[in-house]
Order: sequence, then C-alpha cells, then structure tokens
Amino acid sequence: KQEVTQIPAALSVPEGENLVLNCSFTDSAIYNLQWFRQDPGKGLTSLLLIQSSQREQTSGRLNASLDKSSGRSTLYIAASQPGDSATYLCAPHSGSARQLTFGSGTQLTVLP
Amino acid sequence: GAGVSQTPSNKVTEKGKYVELRCDPISGHTALYWYRQSLGQGPEFLIYFQGTGAADDSGLPNDRFFAVRPEGSVSTLKIQRTERGDSAVYLCASSSLGQRTDTQYFGPGTRLTVL
Repeated sequence: KQEVTQIPAALSVPEGENLVLNCSFTDSAIYNLQWFRQDPGKGLTSLLLIQSSQREQTSGRLNASLDKSSGRSTLYIAASQPGDSATYLCAPHSGSARQLTFGSGTQLTVLP
Repeated sequence: GAGVSQTPSNKVTEKGKYVELRCDPISGHTALYWYRQSLGQGPEFLIYFQGTGAADDSGLPNDRFFAVRPEGSVSTLKIQRTERGDSAVYLCASSSLGQRTDTQYFGPGTRLTVL
C-alpha cells in the first residue's frame, strides 16, 4: 500500500525566499507524480505533473524533481510571494486505477 | 471550457438519511475519480470509473457507499444510512487517462455534514 509523507508539516518564510518542500513515498512503482496546492476551504489546483521517466519539471517559479528509485520528490519555489501561501500536496499515481495517494501536505505561509 | 463541477457545494443531513453527491467532469475526460478529505488530511481514494463502469471501487469504506456513471459522463456518489463519521469533503476529479496526460483535475468539492 502506497504511503506518502511530506516534510515539513508547516513552514513560514519571509517574502522573496527560495524554499523546498519534500515528499517521500513508499512504493516506487508509480506512473506519475502530481503536486497540488489547496487554499483554505477550496479544492485542489494541479501545479505540476512529473512523469516517472522524468527527473524534473518546471512551471514558472516552480520546479519539481523526482527520484523514483528512492521514493522522493521535491518542489522548489523560487522568490516566494504572499500569494503562494497555501497547503501543498504531493500525490503519486499508482495502482491499477492510477489513483492518487496523498500525504497530509505542507502548510506554507509567506510573510509580506 | 468549464472545469470539474460538483453539486451541491454544501450538504447538511441527519444521521440515517440518504444523500447523493453529483460530479460533472471535464468534457471528453473518460476517467473519473472520487476522493474523500477529512479535516487536516489529504484526500483518500474512493472509486474510479473508466467510461461507464466502476473499474476500481477498492477505496469505498463499506457497502453504504455506492457510485454510478450511467452514460460515461456525470457521476453520482450515493451514501445510505449516513453516519457522523461520513462528514468530510467529497472531491471529484477527472482525467483523460490513456490519452495524452494523466493529470487529474479536481472539482471544488461537496462538504457533507452529518448531524
């Protein structure tokens, strides 16, 4: 059974800092991995999908890396802004349904 | 060009009642997923449809939960004899699985409260 851990659980940084969010998963037999953000009381917004054959995927100030064999992914956010404040969730696609398995997320606060 | 929509946005019911939650996926997406998110946790997988059939219902917690997708588009999650422990946000996602990308796109969710 896939299990996902995200560290840290919460993070508070001043505006402009670069930061890294960590995600680890127990079953390396994944198809893809998605990173999401979730604002309070809202649904999930997909940020990036990184395929199992890829090492990195970039979108604007976001860069996701994947080390499938070691069961790790990181999300790098450059030049953080207060609007980046949200909970960030990583979720590998695995299983016959390619369903997502989520960790509890990292709650990010960017202080102006 | 709408995204995934879910209705109602909020549902309050009494213990023992029956509820239906609706999901309208992105047009053309063949794969549809239901997840459930409890407070402070990440979403948990419930059921997956590819087309009209439930291809994987291994995440459904018990037989009070059932979902249908009769025409391969809109899906309804049905919960019988609701219990207080069923209170959560129910999320629906769709993807064009097997086509160009597996990206799952989520709806805003239905917040279910069982009193």
